[in-house]
Amino acid sequence: DSGVTQTPKHLITATGQRVTLRCSPRSGDLSVYWYQQSLDQGLQFLIHYYNGEERAKGNILERFSAQQFPDLHSELNLSSLELGDSALYFCASSVWRGELFFGEGSRLTVL
Amino acid sequence: AQKVTQAQTEISVVEKEDVTLDCVYETRDTTYYLFWYKQPPSGELVFLIRRNSFDEQNEISGRYSWNFQKSTSSFNFTITASQVVDSAVYFCALSEASRGTYKYIFGTGTRLKVLA
Repeated sequence: DSGVTQTPKHLITATGQRVTLRCSPRSGDLSVYWYQQSLDQGLQFLIHYYNGEERAKGNILERFSAQQFPDLHSELNLSSLELGDSALYFCASSVWRGELFFGEGSRLTVL
Repeated sequence: AQKVTQAQTEISVVEKEDVTLDCVYETRDTTYYLFWYKQPPSGELVFLIRRNSFDEQNEISGRYSWNFQKSTSSFNFTITASQVVDSAVYFCALSEASRGTYKYIFGTGTRLKVLA
């Protein structure tokens, strides 16, 4: 158990819909990272938050947005979903420049 | 330019064989960190090791060992006497400074299949 909690674990939805993925970091970790892993693909960095502030953006589509709340949990919002958005979405937390601890992921299926 | 290269896409070995997973990285930082993660078929990503750029000592943890060589920018991972449970995708990653924050760059992974 990494200590990072992601919900939901599985999500099936239709094209055009909007979903929200939630992440609770490990206790004490201020950094939250979001990654996307499509089928048999590597990890694509989406966005990084540190103590509520956005610190870096990766290959995140404009249809996607995220935020980190004062209690440090984070949400990734995916809208106008397309078939190609089907993927495993990981959240990871860390202390500043420490190792990333990943949640179990949220598997999104867009039909 | 790719910063972390795992040239081996897939490796198959027979149980009890030793296997080495290669990782080559590229960075301009003098201070950086390297990591290995394991992703078993169940899908979660498990942290295995973190190494900083000033510590070139090899590390051994049970059947796992890591060889860090700055001269060749490599951070290779060896599993001794492999077991079926070692079957997974293994990712190498690099953390480097970037515009006031730290980026974690992952390689494309090496899928290891250990056959009974």
